[in-house]
Amino acid sequence: DTGVSQNPRHKITKRGQNVTFRCDPISEHNRLYWYRQTLGQGPEFLTYFQNEAQLEKSRLLSDRFSAERPKGSFSTLEIQRTEQGDSAMYLCASSFEGRTNEKLFFGSGTQLSVL
Amino acid sequence: RKEVEQDPGPFNVPEGATVAFNCTYSNSASQSFFWYRQDCRKEPKLLMSVYSSGNEDGRFTAQLNRASQYISLLIRDSKLSDSATYLCVVSRMDSSYKLIFGSGTRLLVRP
Repeated sequence: DTGVSQNPRHKITKRGQNVTFRCDPISEHNRLYWYRQTLGQGPEFLTYFQNEAQLEKSRLLSDRFSAERPKGSFSTLEIQRTEQGDSAMYLCASSFEGRTNEKLFFGSGTQLSVL
Repeated sequence: RKEVEQDPGPFNVPEGATVAFNCTYSNSASQSFFWYRQDCRKEPKLLMSVYSSGNEDGRFTAQLNRASQYISLLIRDSKLSDSATYLCVVSRMDSSYKLIFGSGTRLLVRP
């Protein structure tokens, strides 16, 4: 499977715990995105990497959230001291820079439940 | 007010029907427009881009009205497999990499 891969698919955690999600983009894609989606809403932009550089971070991302893409390949999203409001689907997407209407390929997401 | 607004539906139509979804966007700097499809508990997937001249892909037709800041999607001869949530998506000229999603319109096609 050469699509965008996300792990884990599901994560249940207790409030106050730290969690980390991983995303492996399509190998030739240099752009990587994290989005968050709650029930009945569309995905909301969280952050964006071009290669290893994090070029934009949404105001939705509090200081408890950190994302990295150390070698311009896979990315991790960490949430520290989780809160119930963090419960959502976290979607990773990748694309290749250079096309006017670039197509984003999404992974299947990580469903986070904070108890 | 959300930047991209859609009627949440659901639109419940019989097989073979024609159904249209509308979407409005508030930022006049929006540059690129798309319709994504999302099946229940699955990731969004690009259905089609929307061009100023309008475009068609089989049973699907997308239209853009920049003056009214309005996008539409028409589905002809609906199939059961068309049942999904349709997300209206825009991106701005100054941040073309960032997609801004509407909340989606749910379509249910019944036999």
